[in-house]
Amino acid sequence: DTAVSQTPKYLVTQMGNDKSIKCEQNLGHDTMYWYKQDSKKFLKIMFSYNNKELIINETVPNRFSPKSPDKAHLNLHINSLELGDSAVYFCASSQVGVANTGELFFGEGSRLTVL
Amino acid sequence: QKEVEQDPGPLSVPEGAIVSLNCTYSNSAFQYFMWYRQYSRKGPELLMYTYSSGNKEDGRFTAQVDKSSKYISLFIRDSQPSDSATYLCAQWIGFQKLVFGTGTRLLVSP
Repeated sequence: DTAVSQTPKYLVTQMGNDKSIKCEQNLGHDTMYWYKQDSKKFLKIMFSYNNKELIINETVPNRFSPKSPDKAHLNLHINSLELGDSAVYFCASSQVGVANTGELFFGEGSRLTVL
Repeated sequence: QKEVEQDPGPLSVPEGAIVSLNCTYSNSAFQYFMWYRQYSRKGPELLMYTYSSGNKEDGRFTAQVDKSSKYISLFIRDSQPSDSATYLCAQWIGFQKLVFGTGTRLLVSP
């Protein structure tokens, strides 16, 4: 049973289109994240949510809109896609607190290609 | 300047070699570090975590933090072809965000 699952795994789309990626975690964690990994493998945080509340927005263009309907789900909608949005998007979750290591559990990634 | 920096590699070694992977960090206010391993087309997975200075050992892996030089290292003893992956060091900033280095690609040849 996958702990952090993302769909779809692959997206290929044209510039200007809108796309969404969904993420679900069954670990009971209260914090979820979106990271972007570029072609050079640099993994950069985009957003984090704690109990459905936005905690971090790392100066991401407002074409990117995350949404957390409940603490087990975090979706990412991207409007007006640009070539530079091509990357692998990873969802992750963690349980932050003094009794926890703060380990992030990652999904397998959603590979977005914008043509 | 990125908050956590790594040499991207690739680093190629023969099976059985000792591997040293290194990172530097700029924010010395937070001393909680992690090493993740990422296989091709997979998500990163936690290898080890360590607080402050000193060494931490887990099997063939040793994580080391040198606070004075803002340097973190991961040593792999008796490296195996199955260790071939990208290794990402990371630093928790204020327990709010985990900031990653650029990753070092390791290739262990049989």
